[in-house]
Amino acid sequence: DTGVSQDPRHKITKRGQNVTFRCDPISEHNRLYWYRQTLGQGPEFLTYFQNEAQLEKSRLLSDRFSAERPKGSFSTLEIQRTEQGDSAMYLCASSSFRASGRNEQFFGPGTRLTVL
Amino acid sequence: AQSVAQPEDQVNVAEGNPLTVKCTYSVSGNPYLFWYVQYPNRGLQFLLKYITGDNLVKGSYGFEAEFNKSQTSFHLKKPSALVSDSALYFCAVRDIRTNAGKSTFGDGTTLTVKP
Repeated sequence: DTGVSQDPRHKITKRGQNVTFRCDPISEHNRLYWYRQTLGQGPEFLTYFQNEAQLEKSRLLSDRFSAERPKGSFSTLEIQRTEQGDSAMYLCASSSFRASGRNEQFFGPGTRLTVL
Repeated sequence: AQSVAQPEDQVNVAEGNPLTVKCTYSVSGNPYLFWYVQYPNRGLQFLLKYITGDNLVKGSYGFEAEFNKSQTSFHLKKPSALVSDSALYFCAVRDIRTNAGKSTFGDGTTLTVKP
């Protein structure tokens, strides 16, 4: 058990609906990452936070996607007007930032999204 | 830009035999390199990392990896495979210069260890 939790574990929705996922990182970790993983591929970076600041967003993160980390603890990832292409596993990871970003990331179990 | 290639989708070995899972990388500067393992319906678990120092890095569950700068490789190895090592393995790279923490992952290699 890595200590990173994600909720829900599975989400089935209809195209056009909005969905929100939550990630609770390891408590002392100040960096939090979101990745998307589709079948047969490795995780693709979406965005990351250092404390409450969102420092980088991938081009994969369209205008329909928004992520927040309001108090520098848990984070939410919202997808508006879902499309079938959004179906994927959404992974959250956290790490502690001590020096030069050398620390490994600890991953949660993921939220599997299916858009019908 | 940074990228990772795992040239083998699948690796099959017999239990007790040595195993190698290959990874090559590309970064503009110097790399941080990581190996993760993913079991079915589980998140990725960290195995080992290369940051600096010795080119041979030892990690969890008896795995090790060798950093080769001239060949831009970071192959994962284990002297004697176990059936329980069967899983999906990911190599990841991070460019030291960016200091951003963003990792780029390969597409994974499925390791199957047969009894």
